[in-house]
Amino acid sequence: DQQVKQNSPSLSVQEGRISILNCDYTNSMFDYFLWYKKYPAEGPTFLISISSIKDKNEDGRFTVFLNKSAKHLSLHIVPSQPGDSAVYFCAAKKETSGSRLTFGEGTQLTVNP
Amino acid sequence: DAGVTQSPTHLIKTRGQHVTLRCSPISGHKSVSWYQQVLGQGPQFIFQYYEKEERGRGNFPDRFSARQFPNYSSELNVNALLLGDSALYLCASSLETGREKLFFGSGTQLSVL
Repeated sequence: DQQVKQNSPSLSVQEGRISILNCDYTNSMFDYFLWYKKYPAEGPTFLISISSIKDKNEDGRFTVFLNKSAKHLSLHIVPSQPGDSAVYFCAAKKETSGSRLTFGEGTQLTVNP
Repeated sequence: DAGVTQSPTHLIKTRGQHVTLRCSPISGHKSVSWYQQVLGQGPQFIFQYYEKEERGRGNFPDRFSARQFPNYSSELNVNALLLGDSALYLCASSLETGREKLFFGSGTQLSVL
């Protein structure tokens, strides 16, 4: 039972354009959502998070949007840079579940110069 | 300050053998979590330890065990290795066990032949 799904295995965009990565979840108990970025041979690195009491959170070029009714979140990167090329994981958790994150399968983002 | 360190970085074992993976958290972090990442999938939660006590366990067989030491470092043990245990094993640390972001190590790549 895949509770967090990223339906696009890959995404390719031009430098300077917007990258939009999508994530869907099925467990309505999830109330905290995170995005991690992973480069080859490195561990995942935290990017940005959002609580279920909000519908938007911004941090520089990165914005996460949460649509609770649709159980959908998205990560917007504007403008995209070649250094953003990595695998992006969406993750979700219940506030009471400690460090137990449920990850999606990941989306490989490639930003072309 | 050093990040999360894991050893060894790579390991090759044969079916039926036992393996011990090690993790040192970021200084001051009291919580350590273990994740398994199979190729093409997102990380999957195995264990969380906080202040040397197990705080959570994922859907893994009893062949998987872990412990946390007084200095907050941790070991993950896997007995009776199966081919399907081949994966990247990630350790993550955090200050406590709430909404704090997890800091991941680079992982141990385990190959079971």
